[in-house]
Formats: sequence, C-alpha cells, structure tokens
Amino acid sequence: DQQVKQNSPSLSVQEGRISILNCDYTNSMFDYFLWYKKYPAEGPTFLISISSIKDKNEDGRFTVFLNKSAKHLSLHIVPSQPGDSAVYFCAASGSGTSYGKLTFGQGTILTVHP
Amino acid sequence: KAGVTQTPRYLIKTRGQQVTLSCSPISGHRSVSWYQQTPGQGLQFLFEYFSETQRNKGNFPGRFSGRQFSNSRSEMNVSTLELGDSALYLCASSLQVGGAGDTQYFGPGTRLTVL
Repeated sequence: DQQVKQNSPSLSVQEGRISILNCDYTNSMFDYFLWYKKYPAEGPTFLISISSIKDKNEDGRFTVFLNKSAKHLSLHIVPSQPGDSAVYFCAASGSGTSYGKLTFGQGTILTVHP
Repeated sequence: KAGVTQTPRYLIKTRGQQVTLSCSPISGHRSVSWYQQTPGQGLQFLFEYFSETQRNKGNFPGRFSGRQFSNSRSEMNVSTLELGDSALYLCASSLQVGGAGDTQYFGPGTRLTVL
C-alpha cells in the first residue's frame, strides 16, 4: 500500500522556467511533509517542509503548497537551474505513525536543460 | 555544526555473514532513524531510536536490528546476509523534542554489497 505517491517518474524543464513536482498521500494521519533532493549514492538533502496547519511555505526559489482536502502537495522551483537536476522525493510523517518515521514517495527525476 | 556521519561508506560482504553500520547524529539531535534504499523498493523505513529506545519499527525481518547509545550514536546490524540486502543504508537524525513534525537530516549512506 503506497501511502505517498509521486505519479510522475520524470520531469524535463527549460532553465529559467518553473518546475512543479507533485505528490499525493492517502494517510489522513500525516501532518508534516518534507521535500528532499537526492543524487545517486548520496543521502537525501532537505529542501523545505510544511506543517498541516499551513497551506504554503516559501524558502528562496522553493515553495511548497499543501491541499489537505485533496491530500496533495506540490513543490514549485522558480526559476529552475541546471544544478536543480536530481531526484526529488516527497516524504510524510504524523503523530499516528510517529514523527521519527518518514514515508517516502517513489521520487521524480527532474532534468533542467540549459 | 557537523552533519550526520556514517561509517563505513562502502562495504562488501558475502551471504551468511553479518554486518554492523554506524551513525553519528548531528550534535544535540536525540532521534536517529534508519532507512534502506533499493532500486525496486525505494526508500523504506527500518527503525527509529530515541533516548536509547526503539520507538518505531518498519516492516523488516528480525535479522535487522539496531541500538542507540547514551551519546545518541546509533548502530544497525544485519545478520545472516542475503543477496537482497544489497542496498544503500541511510541514517537520519532530528531533534524530536516537541512531539511535532521535525526535519530529519540524512547522512551520506553506507553502500552494502552482498556477494
């Protein structure tokens, strides 16, 4: 049972344009969501997070939107840069499953073309 | 502040052997979680330790175990290794002081290859 889903395995974007990565979840106990960037054979790097009491959080070029009713979150990267090319994972945790346990999506490969 | 460190970075073992991986969390972080990443299953939660106690456990066989020391450093052990245990093992630490969502910061991982 995949509780966190990233339905787009890959996304290709031109440099300078917006990248939008999507994530859906099914477990209503999740109330904390994170996005990580990952390169092969390395650990994930934290990008941005959002609590369920908010619907938007911004940090520089990264913005995360949360739609609780739709159980959907998205990561916007504006403007996209070639260095953003990596695999992006969304992750979720909640009091019902323990905040020490992250449930990850399958990842989306983002390629930003110069 | 130093990040999460994991040792060793690479390990080659043969079937039937056992292995111990080590993780040092960010200074002040009390929670350590372990994850396994494989091409087929993605990133999967193994277990979490907080104040030397296992607080949560993922759906892995009993061959996978761990512990946490009083300085928050953690080890995980895999006994009777199988070919399918070949994976990138990731450790993450977080403060986890308020009973609310908290960011987990990951180490570089240990690449285990079982021959």
